[in-house]
Amino acid sequence: GDSVTQMEGPVTLSEEAFLTINCTYTATGYPSLFWYVQYPGEGLQLLLKATKADDKGSNKGFEATYRKETTSFHLEKGSVQVSDSAVYFCALKKGNYGGSQGNLIFGKGTKLSVKP
Amino acid sequence: EAGVTQFPSHSVIEKGQTVTLRCDPISGHDNLYWYRRVMGKEIKFLLHFVKESKQDESGMPNNRFLAERTGGTYSTLKVQPAELEDSGVYFCASSQDRGLAGPRFSYNEQFFGPGTRLTVL
Repeated sequence: GDSVTQMEGPVTLSEEAFLTINCTYTATGYPSLFWYVQYPGEGLQLLLKATKADDKGSNKGFEATYRKETTSFHLEKGSVQVSDSAVYFCALKKGNYGGSQGNLIFGKGTKLSVKP
Repeated sequence: EAGVTQFPSHSVIEKGQTVTLRCDPISGHDNLYWYRRVMGKEIKFLLHFVKESKQDESGMPNNRFLAERTGGTYSTLKVQPAELEDSGVYFCASSQDRGLAGPRFSYNEQFFGPGTRLTVL
């Protein structure tokens, strides 16, 4: 079945360091891909998304490119801040003709801690 | 506008007891989802309501779990009787219901609540 695999955490970085969180997926068809972020004490928030191959999602300095050839959607940020400390989840949703609002399939999450 | 809210934020119960979790979606959102994250594992889909109807309940683990959405507004998820393996964080999410425009899938963002942390002792 469909699945998402992301790098195990926790990840600890110093402020201004470069961040990469790897994410690969297994799915048939044309899934849409997402990164969600959960800040301490809050719910999951959509960070960015990409709906087709070679699309680049970006938000708040984070980027991820939908790579169909490698079935990957790695999250990157050039210079992390303490405020980026959170748990990051990679997710997919199957492409669907018909408007079905189906469910998301998540990876296990990667906890990021950024030290000043 | 208020976001998705969940109650309680934490619940600690003993094995065999009953617990009811509540989710209030964003007003006007027809789609409501329940997910669960067991410690260290993926967030897994439980079920999906469209208004008051269960669209997909393929993720419900067993018949100890009962979800309802009376009147198509808030939803409850009851676990009866609770077992140790039910411990985890239960998330609720909601989204608008918009028809597909064109041949490509159009994603309507799912807005998540803060979750209910359930501990079964």
